[in-house]
Amino acid sequence: DQQVKQNSPSLSVQEGRISILNCDYTNSMFDYFLWYKKYPAEGPTFLISISSIKDKNEDGRFTVFLNKSAKHLSLHIVPSQPGDSAVYFCAASGGAGGTSYGKLTFGQGTILTVHP
Amino acid sequence: DSGVTQTPKHLITATGQRVTLRCSPRSGDLSVYWYQQSLDQGLQFLIQYYNGEERAKGNILERFSAQQFPDLHSELNLSSLELGDSALYFCASSFDLSGNTIYFGEGSWLTVV
Repeated sequence: DQQVKQNSPSLSVQEGRISILNCDYTNSMFDYFLWYKKYPAEGPTFLISISSIKDKNEDGRFTVFLNKSAKHLSLHIVPSQPGDSAVYFCAASGGAGGTSYGKLTFGQGTILTVHP
Repeated sequence: DSGVTQTPKHLITATGQRVTLRCSPRSGDLSVYWYQQSLDQGLQFLIQYYNGEERAKGNILERFSAQQFPDLHSELNLSSLELGDSALYFCASSFDLSGNTIYFGEGSWLTVV
């Protein structure tokens, strides 16, 4: 049972344009969401997060949007740069009275390629 | 560099053997997590320790065990290894239990032959 899904295995974008990475979840108990970026042979690197009490969080070129009713979140990267090329994972946590925090459930990842 | 250190980086061992993976969390972090990334399962949560105590458990096999020591470093012990245990094992750490920001190490590649 895949509770966090990233339905697009890959995304290709031109440098300077917007990259939009999508993520859907099924567990309504999730209340905290994170995006990680991963290069080959490295560990995931934290990018940005959002709590379920918000619908948007910005950090520089990265913005995460959360639509709780649709159980959907997205990561926008503007403008996209070639160095952004990596695998992007969304992750979710929460529920069970807070004892599940830190137990992240990850999506399968989306490979982003930004062309110069 | 996340500040989370994992050793060894690569390990090749035979089926039936036992290995220990080691993790040093970021300075000041009290919580340590172990994740397994395999080709077919993606990143899967295994177990979490906070200040020496087990706090959450995921789909960790009974053949696997972990502990967090008083100096906060952690070890993941994998025994009776099977071919399917071949994976990248990540350790991660955070300051508290909230999991709001979890920093990952570079992982330990385990190959079981």
